[in-house]
Amino acid sequence: KAGVTQTPRYLIKTRGQQVTLSCSPISGHRSVSWYQQTPGQGLQFLFEYFSETQRNKGNFPGRFSGRQFSNSRSEMNVSTLELGDSALYLCASSLYPGYNTDTQYFGPGTRLTVL
Amino acid sequence: GENVEQHPSTLSVQEGDSAVIKCTYSDSASNYFPWYKQELGKRPQLIIDIRSNVGEKKDQRIAVTLNKTAKHFSLHITETQPEDSAVYFCAAADLGFQKLVFGTGTRLLVSP
Repeated sequence: KAGVTQTPRYLIKTRGQQVTLSCSPISGHRSVSWYQQTPGQGLQFLFEYFSETQRNKGNFPGRFSGRQFSNSRSEMNVSTLELGDSALYLCASSLYPGYNTDTQYFGPGTRLTVL
Repeated sequence: GENVEQHPSTLSVQEGDSAVIKCTYSDSASNYFPWYKQELGKRPQLIIDIRSNVGEKKDQRIAVTLNKTAKHFSLHITETQPEDSAVYFCAAADLGFQKLVFGTGTRLLVSP
């Protein structure tokens, strides 16, 4: 079974621009979570989608948004980019929320650099 | 909200020694505790996880213990090998909410 895939793998943007990142979960997985990884803040939860609904959101400004499609693929969008948004953005998929079905598997990440 | 503390931040051992990494969590509602290994430039890989209805779980050279009363859990790696060198993250979550709260990571270096 193919793993979680993310596109693009690398992005360079300038301040003020916006960016869209894509995540395709493992086939059959319906929950997608997004995380930001930086050297200073570590791994931080952004949001989680299940059945096209955002069920949970971390402590990030409204510039960070996302959505999930009916095929479980997910996108996240960051508007008005700031230098501090430079990070590795990871998505993780799981079968569906619940006991023994919630193990999350990570994609390779998208490395975003904001200049 | 949940807060996870992880110690030590760096750990150096000789090949063949054991390594122990400890985490504490604050939210008693957390009931799922995975451990991830992240090699340089790669994605976090799940190596073992434990749910709150068990106190210990083992998979070959890796074991995790959970003390719900004290709100701490630990990763034990025996007979370490150079390929075990990586950053290890613990995490805690409330089952069904898919929000992992991570520790700050432990950089493990295994010297031949």
